[in-house]
Amino acid sequence: DSGVTQTPKHLITATGQRVTLRCSPRSGDLSVYWYQQSLDQGLQFLIQYYNGEERAKGNILERFSAQQFPDLHSELNLSSLELGDSALYFCASSVDTGSSTDTQYFGPGTRLTVL
Amino acid sequence: AQKITQTQPGMFVQEKEAVTLDCTYDTSDPSYGLFWYKQPSSGEMIFLIYQGSYDQQNATEGRYSLNFQKARKSANLVISASQLGDSAMYFCAMRDRGPTSGTYKYIFGTGTRLKVLA
Repeated sequence: DSGVTQTPKHLITATGQRVTLRCSPRSGDLSVYWYQQSLDQGLQFLIQYYNGEERAKGNILERFSAQQFPDLHSELNLSSLELGDSALYFCASSVDTGSSTDTQYFGPGTRLTVL
Repeated sequence: AQKITQTQPGMFVQEKEAVTLDCTYDTSDPSYGLFWYKQPSSGEMIFLIYQGSYDQQNATEGRYSLNFQKARKSANLVISASQLGDSAMYFCAMRDRGPTSGTYKYIFGTGTRLKVLA
């Protein structure tokens, strides 16, 4: 158990809908990262938050947005869903002290299926 | 540009034998970190081992060791005494400086699928 929690574990929805994925980082970790992993693909970095503020942005679609709350949990909002958005969405967290030794620990992922 | 390359899409190894999974990287940042993660069929991403760019010795964690060759920019994962439970996807990742001061980013390779044979 990495200490990072994600809910829900599975989500099935229809095209055009909107969903929210939730992540709670490990205790003491200030940074939260979101990744998308499509079938048999590597991880695509979406976005990073550090202590409530957006720090880095990757290949995140405009239909997707995220935020990190004062208690450091984060939510990833996916709207106007398309079939191609079906994927495993990971949240990871790290202390992010600025050291290269900083290690990301991953949550169990949310498997999103868009029908 | 920063890049991680894993050239082996799939590998087979006999149980109890050692196996090496290749990873090469490219970065202009002198300070960086290299990581390996395991993703079993259940889907979770499990951190295995870390190597810092300034570390003089190769990292080891139990049956996992990292063969770090800085001049060649390679960070191969060695799994000794393979077990059936080692069958999984393995990802190499790098952390280095981001585009703006004070930021960092992680990039991942495309992964190597390892199958351990009984």
